[in-house]
Amino acid sequence: AQKVTQAQTEISVVEKEDVTLDCVYETRDTTYYLFWYKQPPSGELVFLIRRNSFDEQNEISGRYSWNFQKSTSSFNFTITASQVVDSAVYFCALSEASYNTDKLIFGTGTRLQVFP
Amino acid sequence: GAVVSQHPSRVICKSGTSVKIECRSLDFQATTMFWYRQFPKKSLMLMATSNEGSKATYEQGVEKDKFLINHASLTLSTLTVTSAHPEDSSFYICSAETGLNYGYTFGSGTRLTVV
Repeated sequence: AQKVTQAQTEISVVEKEDVTLDCVYETRDTTYYLFWYKQPPSGELVFLIRRNSFDEQNEISGRYSWNFQKSTSSFNFTITASQVVDSAVYFCALSEASYNTDKLIFGTGTRLQVFP
Repeated sequence: GAVVSQHPSRVICKSGTSVKIECRSLDFQATTMFWYRQFPKKSLMLMATSNEGSKATYEQGVEKDKFLINHASLTLSTLTVTSAHPEDSSFYICSAETGLNYGYTFGSGTRLTVV
């Protein structure tokens, strides 16, 4: 069965520190998508990235970077030089593309607090 | 981009009443919509998958008669919480697959409080 594990429940850092949020997934399928979302206190989900299972290239977008390792079933997210505005809950999610419903399964989330 | 509009954003209702939450896809057709529930400081739990013109598929443990889902058109899905009780108080979010690069788009959520 598909499952997403975010072992870090809460992380606190001081501004300008780098922080890595871990995500480990389980799936039976060879074709799947992995996602990261940010959920600020207002509740809406902000899309950060989608990566398909055939693309293992790491990605960098500004201060954000993602490391996808199929060998360890991990899709970790790093924020460089963190800022107070990065404070939010971050969710890693998985969808199995071969199923018609393509439902999205979320991890338990990591609450990141960045202090000034 | 594809936008899903969710209403209401907040609702307070009395125990025993029913509440309807609407999700509309504004600029695309959403054949499939997903409904999630989120308790405070918890993850999003998929409740059901709704397909236009057919019955919704509920996840294990979700009461079909309690959470009625209707997806009568390609742009509208509704979730009705029937005979609401305080334990139904939660944050409900809908989502639709867009076929675009980012995959899914989410509504802004509905915070339901049952008193």
